[in-house]
Amino acid sequence: IAGITQAPTSQILAAGRRMTLRCTQDMRHNAMYWYRQDLGLGLRLIHYSNTAGTTGKGEVPDGYSVSRANTDDFPLTLASAVPSQTSVYFCASKREREGGELFFGEGSRLTVL
Amino acid sequence: KNQVEQSPQSLIILEGKNCTLQCNYTVSPFSNLRWYKQDTGRGPVSLTIMTFSENTKSNGRYTATLDADTKQSSLHITASQLSDSASYICVVRGYSGGGADGLTFGKGTHLIIQP
Repeated sequence: IAGITQAPTSQILAAGRRMTLRCTQDMRHNAMYWYRQDLGLGLRLIHYSNTAGTTGKGEVPDGYSVSRANTDDFPLTLASAVPSQTSVYFCASKREREGGELFFGEGSRLTVL
Repeated sequence: KNQVEQSPQSLIILEGKNCTLQCNYTVSPFSNLRWYKQDTGRGPVSLTIMTFSENTKSNGRYTATLDADTKQSSLHITASQLSDSASYICVVRGYSGGGADGLTFGKGTHLIIQP
């Protein structure tokens, strides 16, 4: 593993189903983030975690939950998926030095039918 | 409200030509500004960071400028190549007292380089 790994790469999901997007990093960064990216809206923050054991809500948290049991893993859960959650989801971590560069995963494309 | 506006929304140029992408922001107080490149189907990757005291910075064929007085930044691409086809996202960091990411994202400029 090098950097940020997300899984699955893509998924088609029936509305009402539960889904967990996985995110793992090997850079030992404290801060991690989940964003969704929609055409015309750019990247929007869903949830964040500044360090293991803590989480916070971003701009669009409704319908999503996260946990941060350890430094490396930051899963995002959709308890009951709805079509408006169709999007591309990006996990990122932040390097504290040099102005806080974000390192992104390759994204998880989720389609809710 | 903190905002980052990018222009143009999309741009098509011929291979070998130069282009300039614009970013205007209202984030205050300002900490730094980054340009990210996002290839289709990939995550964004940082190209360059600009701090308050920096006016210009180059990274190969990419040159970023910052005018902190007018709150404007530009990304100039010289001698474009097909691999420059991507979305370019301007991200401004402000000093935040809370726990969120402190970032304001632009919606990006979609650049297409034609052979």
